[in-house]
Amino acid sequence: GAGVSQTPSNKVTEKGKYVELRCDPISGHTALYWYRQSLGQGPEFLIYFQGTGAADDSGLPNDRFFAVRPEGSVSTLKIQRTERGDSAVYLCASSLIPGTLDTQYFGPGTRLTVL
Amino acid sequence: DAKTTQPNSMESNEEEPVHLPCNHSTISGTDYIHWYRQLPSQGPEYVIHGLTSNVNNRMASLAIAEDRKSSTLILHRATLRDAAVYYCILRDGYKLSFGAGTTVTVRA
Repeated sequence: GAGVSQTPSNKVTEKGKYVELRCDPISGHTALYWYRQSLGQGPEFLIYFQGTGAADDSGLPNDRFFAVRPEGSVSTLKIQRTERGDSAVYLCASSLIPGTLDTQYFGPGTRLTVL
Repeated sequence: DAKTTQPNSMESNEEEPVHLPCNHSTISGTDYIHWYRQLPSQGPEYVIHGLTSNVNNRMASLAIAEDRKSSTLILHRATLRDAAVYYCILRDGYKLSFGAGTTVTVRA
């Protein structure tokens, strides 16, 4: 079946611009996660959704970052006033059962480059 | 989150076994040991997990020390497709806390 998809695969933007990154989870998966991976490091947790609501946004670095999941499926990560330090691969994952040790299935990521 | 320690890198020859160690001396009783791997230019993928007993699946085996302070991921016959970064993660909830992992190189 279809896995987690993310669009775009690559995004180049200029410092100060606004970007949106999209995640399509596996159909039927209630839990959705965003992670950020800087070069040479493991992914870092950003935010976790149970259905439509953000159950844990403790990993968002500052208020320039925001994520939504209005209908409980597709999610959008929004970054305002981008900075060069935001350059990273943004990974999305989904799992069937929220709040558990359920396997997380990752998408291929969106590589964001801020010039 | 409890921390894990893994070697930065390991090399193996194709068709030979690979043993990837992970130390987690501060593991708590409710922490499960999870392994994910990340192939080049892809997102991480689940490999295996366990609590106390050794575990086997089609991808790998997980050997857990009796005191649970360490574990070893075993790839029985490495293939070129197994070249990846392998992450050992202690997990007691929904969050995955990745370290730097072990980069595995497989020589043909």
